[in-house]
Amino acid sequence: DVKVTQSSRYLVKRTGEKVFLECVQDMDHENMFWYRQDPGLGLRLIYFSYDVKMKEKGDIPEGYSVSREKKERFSLILESASTNQTSMYLCASRAWAASNQPQHFGDGTRLSIL
Amino acid sequence: QQQVKQSPQSLIVQKGGISIINCAYENTAFDYFPWYQQFPGKGPALLIAIRPDVSEKKEGRFTISFNKSAKQFSLHIMDSQPGDSATYFCAASPQSARQLTFGSGTQLTVLP
Repeated sequence: DVKVTQSSRYLVKRTGEKVFLECVQDMDHENMFWYRQDPGLGLRLIYFSYDVKMKEKGDIPEGYSVSREKKERFSLILESASTNQTSMYLCASRAWAASNQPQHFGDGTRLSIL
Repeated sequence: QQQVKQSPQSLIVQKGGISIINCAYENTAFDYFPWYQQFPGKGPALLIAIRPDVSEKKEGRFTISFNKSAKQFSLHIMDSQPGDSATYFCAASPQSARQLTFGSGTQLTVLP
C-alpha cells in the first residue's frame, strides 16, 4: 500500500512565522500535491510537483511556496504565516501525470495560526 | 471556469436507506469523474470512478450514474450503513490534465 506521511498532525504557529509542512511518500511516485481543506470549500490545490525540482501553481498559491529536492519529499512553506492560513493541509501523491491515476492522501496537518 | 458543484452539503440517512449525492460540471472537456471518501481524521481515498462512455458504474453498494447531456453525475449508496458515515468528494478532470477539480464535499451521516 502507498503510504503518504505528513510530519505533523497538529501545528500551532504565530502570525509572521515561517512555517514548514513536510510530506513523504514511499512509492516512488512522480507527482505530489498540496491541498488545503476548508468546510464548504472542498479541496483546493495550492501547488503540485510533477518531478523533482519541478512545480506548478494550483488554484490558490498566494502566500505559499514549495520545495521538492528529492522525489519522495514535498514541502509546503508559508513564508509569513497569517491567520487566514489556518486550515487543514493535505498532501497527496500519484504514480504519474495522468488524471485517472488515483491520488493517495496523507492524513493531514491541522495548522492554526494565532 | 473549471468548477464542480456538489450537493447537498450534508446528508442524514437511516441505516438501510439510499444515500444520493449529486455533482454538476460546466467544462465539456472533463472526461474522468472520481469520487473520494474521507473518514474523520483521515485523508480522502479513491472510492469509485467513471468515464463518460458509460452511463453507470457499480461497485458493491456504490453506484455512479452519469448524464453527459445534463453534465451531471451522482453517487448512490444502497443499503447505507453507519460505517459509510464520511465526507464524500466528487471530482472531475480532462484526461490530459495533471490535476483534479474537486467538489465542495458532502458530509454523510448514517443513523443506526
